Amino acid sequence: DAGVIQSPRHEVTEMGQEVTLRCKPISGHDYLFWYRQTMMRGLELLIYFNNNVPIDDSGMPEDRFSAKMPNASFSTLKIQPSEPRDSAVYFCASSLQGAETQYFGPGTRLLVL
Amino acid sequence: QKEVEQDPGPLSVPEGAIVSLNCTYSNSAFQYFMWYRQYSRKGPELLMYTYSSGNKEDGRFTAQVDKSSKYISLFIRDSQPSDSATYLCAMSDEGGTSYGKLTFGQGTILTVHP
Repeated sequence: DAGVIQSPRHEVTEMGQEVTLRCKPISGHDYLFWYRQTMMRGLELLIYFNNNVPIDDSGMPEDRFSAKMPNASFSTLKIQPSEPRDSAVYFCASSLQGAETQYFGPGTRLLVL
Repeated sequence: QKEVEQDPGPLSVPEGAIVSLNCTYSNSAFQYFMWYRQYSRKGPELLMYTYSSGNKEDGRFTAQVDKSSKYISLFIRDSQPSDSATYLCAMSDEGGTSYGKLTFGQGTILTVHP
């Protein structure tokens, strides 16, 4: 299995632009998680899905952030408009039947200028 | 106060040393305890997983959970330069509305020098 796939791996954009991050979970996994990692705040859970349904989005920082999972093999995290404070590494993770054994993707490094 | 506290280090040890990494937590509902290892510019990978209290051993790694003290530890025996990474503790409760959520510590940066 290829593991969790994320794209792009690096993104540099200007403040105010829309950013879309993509994730393909491991085939057969029914949970998908989006995290953000910064030096100051560590690894934070933004939102997670179970069977394509958003379960908890309490970690989404504000309305500028949105996430979708149109099918079992694809999810997006969108930031519109982007701000410099959104600069971070965004990870997608997937798991089977729970949170305990999550498999992380390689992450997307986002820099908003 | 954060739900999970972890000393960020950095921690530097010589090859062959025993390493002790620790986390404390405040939420008594936590039942599942994990240690993830994260190499530079990579995603975290699950290293150890323990349910409730007790010890678990896997090769050179031992995870300990003391729920009465709300304290978990990861020991690395005969540490190797390849163990150099950031180690993150993570925990979750048994279910309900929080099912699926992991709370992570800040991570401890470990360097094992030859």
